[in-house]
Amino acid sequence: DAGVTQSPTHLIKTRGQQVTLRCSPKSGHDTVSWYQQALGQGPQFIFQYYEEEERQRGNFPDRFSGHQFPNYSSELNVNALLLGDSALYLCASSAPSGVNEKLFFGSGTQLSVL
Amino acid sequence: DAKTTQPNSMESNEEEPVHLPCNHSTISGTDYIHWYRQLPSQGPEYVIHGLTSNVNNRMASLAIAEDRKSSTLILHRATLRDAAVYYCILRDEGNTPLVFGKGTRLSVIA
Repeated sequence: DAGVTQSPTHLIKTRGQQVTLRCSPKSGHDTVSWYQQALGQGPQFIFQYYEEEERQRGNFPDRFSGHQFPNYSSELNVNALLLGDSALYLCASSAPSGVNEKLFFGSGTQLSVL
Repeated sequence: DAKTTQPNSMESNEEEPVHLPCNHSTISGTDYIHWYRQLPSQGPEYVIHGLTSNVNNRMASLAIAEDRKSSTLILHRATLRDAAVYYCILRDEGNTPLVFGKGTRLSVIA
């Protein structure tokens, strides 16, 4: 059983460009969350998708948007990239809603903005 | 969000027990205490969680103070593979997003 898979593993972009990151959740999981982790910091919550809708959102600008597909996979899009967007982007999935479902994280996509 | 306080770093010798403390004096009655860890070059992974009673699983034990204002993650025999950043997180029962702090960086010495 594959866990959470993310692609690509590394990406280099320049300021002003747009980027799309992809995530496939663990089998049987229907909820996907995205986190941004700057160097030396803990992950910061961006948003969560469930039933193809954004259910919760953290304190991130509208440049960050997402999508969830019927097969539960998800994309994170970032427009007008800034140098400060350089970070590790983590995707996490969890099982159908219950109490305190564990999150399973992928290994992340390392984004560098030059 | 209720906050947690953890030491920035700790060091342990291999095969010795490790006690990782976490203070959460503003915890509410419905907050569960979760621990995740992040090994180098990986995403975080779930370790353990509890509400009031002490909890044990194959990875670790969680000791929760009677007033729930602090807790301790116990690794019974640290190995080199346990070197990671350990995060103590409060989360209510509604599957709200995890709010990570900076965690405790655990180094294990052979």
